[in-house]
Amino acid sequence: QVQLVESEGGVVQPGRSLRLSCAASGFTFSSYGMHWVRQAPGKGLEWVALASYDETKQSYADSVKGRFSISRDNSNNRLYLQMNNLRTEDTAVYYCAKTDLKHCSSSSCLQSSFDFWGQGTLVTVSS
Amino acid sequence: QSVLTQPPSVSGAPGQRVTISCTGSSSNIGIGYDVHWYQQLPGTAPKLLIFDNNNRPSGVPDRFSGSRSGASASLAITGLQAEDEADYYCQSYDSSLSGVIFGGGTKLTVL
Repeated sequence: QVQLVESEGGVVQPGRSLRLSCAASGFTFSSYGMHWVRQAPGKGLEWVALASYDETKQSYADSVKGRFSISRDNSNNRLYLQMNNLRTEDTAVYYCAKTDLKHCSSSSCLQSSFDFWGQGTLVTVSS
Repeated sequence: QSVLTQPPSVSGAPGQRVTISCTGSSSNIGIGYDVHWYQQLPGTAPKLLIFDNNNRPSGVPDRFSGSRSGASASLAITGLQAEDEADYYCQSYDSSLSGVIFGGGTKLTVL
């Protein structure tokens, strides 16, 4: 069965960096686009970033563009989110999620649904 | 302020039918981008409920259904059960933002 397991988040000071990872299993990781989605405490869902199945395309929400970087290692079935220059408003539970469309282009990946989600990991940005 | 507008809350008694609306604009639902729906039970990750406007993943009861018309979409839940109490989110794509968008979420209370 599909499993997505995020690494532990943590508490980090504003302006510092943190890297999250997501270990995938139960499906052909290299065939699917992967997303990061976050949820601030008591708030709704916010899409963060997409990595295409073949590692060639990335897309970002405006709120994180230039600060966050999504990447993946298809040989080890892992997705990453490098978060730099963190702000207090980045405090959230971060989820990795799988697109349900195989070999989708960046545009079609962004239009498709997320059929599996990880359990989420809490990142707290605070001094 | 979310690009997709959902009512903050809806409620219904067991066995009743409720609907949750998701209103977009001419840069997302209104120009034909698909709508997907998620259920988030308290303290858990979201779960895909409806994809591509009106399709249910395997395992989702047929009490849940979706529709899209114009710049809006709706999620209907019939035969309400206590375990349906959760937050529900719609999702689509916005061509102006070139990104994924979510509704603000609707909290369903089963009375």
